[in-house]
Amino acid sequence: GQQLNQSPQSMFIQEGEDVSMNCTSSSIFNTWLWYKQDPGEGPVLLIALYKAGELTSNGRLTAQFGITRKDSFLNISASIPSDVGIYFCAVNLQERRFGAGTRLTVKP
Amino acid sequence: DTGVSQDPRHKITKRGQNVTFRCDPISEHNRLYWYRQTLGQGPEFLTYFQNEAQLEKSRLLSDRFSAERPKGSFSTLEIQRTEQGDSAMYLCASSLSSGNTDTQYFGPGTRLTVL
Repeated sequence: GQQLNQSPQSMFIQEGEDVSMNCTSSSIFNTWLWYKQDPGEGPVLLIALYKAGELTSNGRLTAQFGITRKDSFLNISASIPSDVGIYFCAVNLQERRFGAGTRLTVKP
Repeated sequence: DTGVSQDPRHKITKRGQNVTFRCDPISEHNRLYWYRQTLGQGPEFLTYFQNEAQLEKSRLLSDRFSAERPKGSFSTLEIQRTEQGDSAMYLCASSLSSGNTDTQYFGPGTRLTVL
């Protein structure tokens, strides 16, 4: 029901390529969030989305809140080596629920 | 640095021992959250405080786990009689709840290894 399905699980790309990942659920949410986590560190908030259909950018990152309120997408353009890490989608319930993450590897 | 801090960063203990972790939130934040994260998974919610009141506890939080935030500032998470399955990264986050927004800022985590 409220589980978040995040895909892909992992991606191996060449530096300079664009990246797309998404999160889906069978439930409706009012907020979608995207975090990045580096090894041994806590997640860092990248983008927060509060309205269905909203498209928000943060530098080379763009995220969209799906119109059905059941999904969200994160795109990274012109990837660079420091984009390496695990990207998590999350939603706001009383607490915050996270997807299982997309592990991104960028080859120089 | 005025971010969320956690201590210790790493803890190795033997099964059956008690451990306590500390989290210092961002100073003006009224909410404080504890999460647990295992390898290959996203963080899982354990509990949260609004000021000093513990408002929500996950069913993941067994009787061996207890969290406190006595003065509404720092918080401690204690695990009694640790088990190997308790090995995980324990993350703390804080936020200043305001209307619809509740942006949580995470600390670096405490990695627990139970031998």
